[in-house]
Amino acid sequence: SQTIHQWPATLVQPVGSPLSLECTVEGTSNPNLYWYRQAAGRGLQLLFYSVGIGQISSEVPQNLSASRPQDRQFILSSKKLLLSDSGFYLCAWSLGLNTEAFFGQGTRLTVV
Amino acid sequence: ELKVEQNPLFLSMQEEKNYTIYCNYSTTSDRLYWYRQDPGKSLESLFVLLSNGAVKQEGRLMASLDTKARLSTLHITAAVHDLSATYFCAASGYSTLTFGKGTMLLVSP
Repeated sequence: SQTIHQWPATLVQPVGSPLSLECTVEGTSNPNLYWYRQAAGRGLQLLFYSVGIGQISSEVPQNLSASRPQDRQFILSSKKLLLSDSGFYLCAWSLGLNTEAFFGQGTRLTVV
Repeated sequence: ELKVEQNPLFLSMQEEKNYTIYCNYSTTSDRLYWYRQDPGKSLESLFVLLSNGAVKQEGRLMASLDTKARLSTLHITAAVHDLSATYFCAASGYSTLTFGKGTMLLVSP
């Protein structure tokens, strides 16, 4: 069966520091991968999605970037965090772009 | 651009009462998904609705899809405290799923 791992679970980082969040999927090949952000008490915002290695689509211009160095690995990065980058970051995967998405456990990021 | 609207955004219910959450979407979409999110947790898939008229039921929750009306409903029967969570619907857009803002459900005695 397929599983998705996301880490770390929580992170407190100072403003201006770099960020790297990692997500890996097991049990499937060539998944579509997604990064979402959820601000406190709000809905989901799609940040990036990827249909294959090295293929990244950005939905919202921002202080973040994503990379997919391997088929089942998706990384969210920032060179310099802003206070507004705080939130709950969720990685997800699906077999097709418009099909059911399965979410990782999330990373709660607090920028101080 | 596909837009998904849920209402209500907040719902305070008494146990044993029935209620319905509505999910409207703006353009043609033949797939609709419902998710549950517990406080501080990730999203868990509840229902996948793949065609007009589809109905799925799990315990006290029942979801349906009317693609002609561009409407999906999540009906809660005889609510219990364990159903307290935020519920999201998501419609399939051109390239990715588009999520509603979520309905926060609070069930109290």
